[in-house]
Amino acid sequence: GQQVMQIPQYQHVQEGEDFTTYCNSSTTLSNIQWYKQRPGGHPVFLIQLVKSGEVKKQKRLTFQFGEAKKNSSLHITATQTTDVGTYFCAGLTGYALNFGKGTSLLVTP
Amino acid sequence: DGGITQSPKYLFRKEGQNVTLSCEQNLNHDAMYWYRQDPGQGLRLIYYSQIVNDFQKGDIAEGYSVSREKKESFPLTVTSAQKNPTAFYLCASSHLGVGGEAFFGQGTRLTVV
Repeated sequence: GQQVMQIPQYQHVQEGEDFTTYCNSSTTLSNIQWYKQRPGGHPVFLIQLVKSGEVKKQKRLTFQFGEAKKNSSLHITATQTTDVGTYFCAGLTGYALNFGKGTSLLVTP
Repeated sequence: DGGITQSPKYLFRKEGQNVTLSCEQNLNHDAMYWYRQDPGQGLRLIYYSQIVNDFQKGDIAEGYSVSREKKESFPLTVTSAQKNPTAFYLCASSHLGVGGEAFFGQGTRLTVV
């Protein structure tokens, strides 16, 4: 199946520091979605990017979709303890939604 | 309330027994998915279905079976052929095609002893 790779696997930051997770696909994606899973919870949809080069912002979160539609990033500015969780990217191939392995973010006060 | 429901939340079974995990949605979504989550492995696709009476294998379908007799329901059976069944199982649903954000159930944590 489609390979969606995410790095880093883990990230530990001090509260107030920035955080970035990267997602790379072996094939061109029709779109990319981002999800957040809190510890003990289930993934929750954050955003979808469709256009080449697209940039979207949600408060302190900035999402980018690469020009070739093969990579994406999620950047959090000035992390807070509420940002703790695992962030997943997901790419659609036909009707199969394939997820990366996720980046687990730990924020220390 | 609209949503997707998985039951039970915790399930214990003896090795060698088949077990069926329930997934029901009332969101009128055509597409439904089953994922397995293990520590450090992310979400791995087991099976997915776009329409009633049709489904496709994902990356790790061996040892699992599904049915889609109703649009609202997509049960997953973990068979005795699955070598490492202990895991967290997540069901999701979405509208078809580009733009279909996936809604997840609360998950079922299966422990086989």
